Amino acid sequence: EVQLVESGGGLVQPGGSLRLSCGASGFTFSSNSMTWVRQAPGKGLEWVANIKQDGSEKYSVDSVKGRFTISRDNAKNSLYLQMNSLRVEDTAVYYCARVFSWYGQIDYWGQGTLVTVSS
Amino acid sequence: SYELTQPPSVSVSPGQTANITCSGHKLGDKYAYWYQQKPSQSPVLVIYQDTNRPSGIPERFSGSNSGNTATLIISGTQAMDEADYYCQAWDTNTVVFGGGTKLTVL
Repeated sequence: EVQLVESGGGLVQPGGSLRLSCGASGFTFSSNSMTWVRQAPGKGLEWVANIKQDGSEKYSVDSVKGRFTISRDNAKNSLYLQMNSLRVEDTAVYYCARVFSWYGQIDYWGQGTLVTVSS
Repeated sequence: SYELTQPPSVSVSPGQTANITCSGHKLGDKYAYWYQQKPSQSPVLVIYQDTNRPSGIPERFSGSNSGNTATLIISGTQAMDEADYYCQAWDTNTVVFGGGTKLTVL
């Protein structure tokens, strides 16, 4: 059974940093691209960043470029999102999700971790 | 940047057919994906590559995609189908979501 478990969320002040982690199990982690998607309270889904299987290519939404970095450790079956210079508008539930294939469906989602940016 | 537009809300009576649209420039040239999200739950894939249902998704869910519009079709809608639905496509290595449609079954 595919499982994705996020951790690392919490309350942080504007300008602060946070590192989200996502532990994967039930599939060969190194065979799939991965993605982070967020959802602000009461709002819709917003894609944040993608990373290919070997980490060679990464893409992110313009609003987080230069502040957020997606990475992965295939030996540890883990996906990460380093978030720096956090803003109030980054407040959201952050989902880790598996990409079936590049340009394919997002077929498994974690339960999400809440990041709250507030003073 | 590429945009996908969905109606904010759609209402349907139980047993009737619900059509949820998603519009984007030449969307028919891309694959459309659909996700269902119920309150306090993670999204679930219900349609992939325009028309395909993942294992475990009821047959009443179907999809189409042509021109500038993709459509999620729920035939014989049930109360359990009440949820938010999001369309999604890829554009130049990035993922794009529509704004979401709240489906009300009343």
